[in-house]
Amino acid sequence: GENVEQHPSTLSVQEGDSAVIKCTYSDSASNYFPWYKQELGKRPQLIIDIRSNVGEKKDQRIAVTLNKTAKHFSLHITETQPEDSAVYFCAATNSNSGYALNFGKGTSLLVTP
Amino acid sequence: EAGVAQSPRYKIIEKRQSVAFWCNPISGHATLYWYQQILGQGPKLLIQFQNNGVVDDSQLPKDRFSAERLKGVDSTLKIQPAKLEDSAVYLCASSGRTSGGTSEQYFGPGTRLTVT
Repeated sequence: GENVEQHPSTLSVQEGDSAVIKCTYSDSASNYFPWYKQELGKRPQLIIDIRSNVGEKKDQRIAVTLNKTAKHFSLHITETQPEDSAVYFCAATNSNSGYALNFGKGTSLLVTP
Repeated sequence: EAGVAQSPRYKIIEKRQSVAFWCNPISGHATLYWYQQILGQGPKLLIQFQNNGVVDDSQLPKDRFSAERLKGVDSTLKIQPAKLEDSAVYLCASSGRTSGGTSEQYFGPGTRLTVT
């Protein structure tokens, strides 16, 4: 089955700096890669996703890049703000599994003013 | 549109007792997932339904866990008997087909289960 590795497990940045979270996956059939933000005690919220036919996608301060050859994808947050502090999860999936998500272990991001 | 609803939000039971969780997906979403999220970890799939049929239950501990989705809408997840290691947040998610062919999943608020 799919195995998703996520690094780092914790990340602390100053407000205004950039944050990068990296994930690798094992199943070459995976073709959909969403990122979720989870605040303490709340549900995971989809913040951005990318499909395998695209190498990069951007939405305001958030961008995701995908390298299919190397089987890794990354989340980039620019101009970080304290409200970006949360746990971020990457996931990988494909149609063969009915798009059931295989999650990484999460990255706890802390943005300090 | 209304989101995924789950109840109860919190449940505390003693080991060996039974418990049931309920999920109401977003209207029109054919696919429903139950995930288990242990503290400090990412969610792990327990079972996936397409309408009222099971697509994948390979990671469901069937000796104690059961789930059903009658009429292809609401779903219930049951644990009987509960063990200490079942303490976790149980998340329900639903998805509908997008024009791109993939399916964004929307999560409910979860049920936090504590087994003592």
